[in-house]
Amino acid sequence: DIQMTQSPSSLSASVGDRVTITCRASQGISNYLAWFQQKPGKAPKSLIYAASTLQSGVPSKFSGSGSGTDFTLTISSLQPEDFATYYCQQYYNYPRTFGPGTKVDIK
Amino acid sequence: QVQLVESGGGVVQPGRSLRLSCAASGFSFSSYAMHWVRQAPGKGLEWVTVISYDGSTKYYADSVKGRFTISRDNSKNTLYLQMDSLRPEDTAVYYCAGGVSGRVDYWGQGTLVTVSS
Repeated sequence: DIQMTQSPSSLSASVGDRVTITCRASQGISNYLAWFQQKPGKAPKSLIYAASTLQSGVPSKFSGSGSGTDFTLTISSLQPEDFATYYCQQYYNYPRTFGPGTKVDIK
Repeated sequence: QVQLVESGGGVVQPGRSLRLSCAASGFSFSSYAMHWVRQAPGKGLEWVTVISYDGSTKYYADSVKGRFTISRDNSKNTLYLQMDSLRPEDTAVYYCAGGVSGRVDYWGQGTLVTVSS
């Protein structure tokens, strides 16, 4: 199975900050990498697929990059609605695997 | 708009069975692969199983293989998860999710399954 790691596990940031989250796969997954946002008590929401393609309706303040084993999710200017937990997931093969999540909270 | 609505969750004793359903609308259900993903209380997301758009291919996480069965009825736009021999560690919110090209695009709101005596 492909192991996914994320760093940091949590971060505190202020409104307007630029935030970057890193995701690493235990083996190469090309660009078969997705990012999801989850707010407390809510279902996950799909943000990005193919490492850098925004899902329909996702604002351009979110961006993704990377290929192979190393990926990043960047939020260009953090807004109150962006405080949430972010998960990466590989869809290169089965079983699908998620990273452990990165919780972004208010400083 | 796209909707995925799960149902069938509840409290069940260890060793018993439960069947979850997920009713889909607002997209071409029969063209989408469908997944079940679960989340234990206070934990991260765990992928459980997937079924191809036509039901011909299925994959399972090792943790549920041989106990859970995924199926779909494209005439009813509905996804199912038959869960047998339930264990306390199966306690989680179960989400159905759908997507194309291997990815997940849409998520349901989830249904809580509690396995406890």
